[in-house]
Amino acid sequence: GQNIDQPTEMTATEGAIVQINCTYQTSGFNGLFWYQQHAGEAPTFLSYNVLDGLEEKGRFSSFLSRSKGYSYLLLKELQMKDSASYLCAGMDSNYQLIWGAGTKLIIKP
Amino acid sequence: DSGVTQTPKHLITATGQRVTLRCSPRSGDLSVYWYQQSLDQGLQFLIQYYNGEERAKGNILERFSAQQFPDLHSELNLSSLELGDSALYFCASSGRTGYGYTFGSGTRLTVV
Repeated sequence: GQNIDQPTEMTATEGAIVQINCTYQTSGFNGLFWYQQHAGEAPTFLSYNVLDGLEEKGRFSSFLSRSKGYSYLLLKELQMKDSASYLCAGMDSNYQLIWGAGTKLIIKP
Repeated sequence: DSGVTQTPKHLITATGQRVTLRCSPRSGDLSVYWYQQSLDQGLQFLIQYYNGEERAKGNILERFSAQQFPDLHSELNLSSLELGDSALYFCASSGRTGYGYTFGSGTRLTVV
């Protein structure tokens, strides 16, 4: 079957660094997506990885290891506005996104 | 503005009623996806259309149906509504291979 696992909730301190892990199992693989979703709002695209390695985009970086079926999202210099849910999604061979349940990130001052 | 337009933004209706949610995809996108998100829950994939044809089906109830029209806009019809159908309903659109998968701002449905 297809499955995406990520922690339900994480807490971090403003200014710190946090890493949100995601393991995936998909039928075929066409990339790994990360989205940010603030409460009551639409998910917004953060990153896409299809090759192994680290993709850096400002304060956010995403890493992929295809052999391990593993990805992480790294958020640096945390700000209060980063409090949100972070959704990991794997794209299967039919170009369907398989979604994780999301990780709720709580930032404390 | 993501380019994906959903209407209405809010909808309040009574149990047993029927509603229609509308989605216009980004210009050039042929795929439309519908999702349901209940309070504090993850995204539940309902259905996908590609260029007017049903492409994939998720956990969509029989009381729900959807279609995509020749101009590529899509409608999600929810009937015999129950209190548990209260949720955010998102539409997303993309290119054929999922390129540029983008969400609309959602419709918040409240069934009373």
